[in-house]
Amino acid sequence: NAGVMQNPRHLVRRRGQEARLRCSPVKGHSHVYWYRQLPEEGLKFMVYLQKENIIDESGMPKERFSAEFPKEGPSILRIQQVVRGDSAAYFCASSPSGSWAGDTQYFGPGTRLTVL
Amino acid sequence: SQQGEEDPQALSIQEGENATMNCSYKTSINNLQWYRQNSGRGLVHLILIRSNEREKHSGRLRVTLDTSKKSSSLLITASRAADTASYFCATASDRGSTLGRLYFGRGTQLTVWP
Repeated sequence: NAGVMQNPRHLVRRRGQEARLRCSPVKGHSHVYWYRQLPEEGLKFMVYLQKENIIDESGMPKERFSAEFPKEGPSILRIQQVVRGDSAAYFCASSPSGSWAGDTQYFGPGTRLTVL
Repeated sequence: SQQGEEDPQALSIQEGENATMNCSYKTSINNLQWYRQNSGRGLVHLILIRSNEREKHSGRLRVTLDTSKKSSSLLITASRAADTASYFCATASDRGSTLGRLYFGRGTQLTVWP
C-alpha cells in the first residue's frame, strides 16, 4: 500500500511567485491535514479538509494561502506571492476518519519550500 | 495553547541504555500520539494512546499517560544508534472547535552513540 505522497519534495521559488504543493492521501483516506514546520520547531496545524470541504482552516494565514481537496485528485496547498518567511517544510497527513475518532494521522515526506 | 512540550530538548546516551522523554500538555485530550522524525525527513507514527488508557507497549517502546497531570512519557529500551532522531508528542483535542488537528511540541532530539 502506498503511503501519503507529496510532491514536489523540494521547491524553490523567488519572492512574489506562486507555490503549489500536492498531497495524495493513503488510498481510502478521506481526511487530509496540512502542517508547517519551521527549522528546529514542531509542526503547526494549518488546515483540515475532507473531500470537497474545508473543515478547519483556522491555522492557515487568511491572505495568500488556500487549500483544496477535490472529489478527484490530490489535495493542493497554494501559496500566492511567496515571501521569505514562507520558507519551511510543509507536511500533509491523512486519516481514514477524523483524529477525534482516535485515528492515527499518517504523514507524507514533506515538501521543503525555499523562497529566494 | 494546547501545544505539547517535550522534555528534555536534547538527550544523548550510549547504545543499550534506555531513553525516556516526557511530554506535557495544557488542555483535555482525546488521544496523544508519539512520532519520530529523522533529520530532513517526514514523520513516522510510533504509538497512539487514548485518554482512557494509562500505558501502552509496542516492541521496545513503552508509553504512559497521566491525564490528571496532563503528561506522557515515552521510554525506548535497549536503544540503538538507529533510534537517533527527533521525537515529538502530539495531542488530539476533544473539543468541537479544534477536532481533527494535532498539536505538536518542539520535540526531543535523541542521539544514541554506538
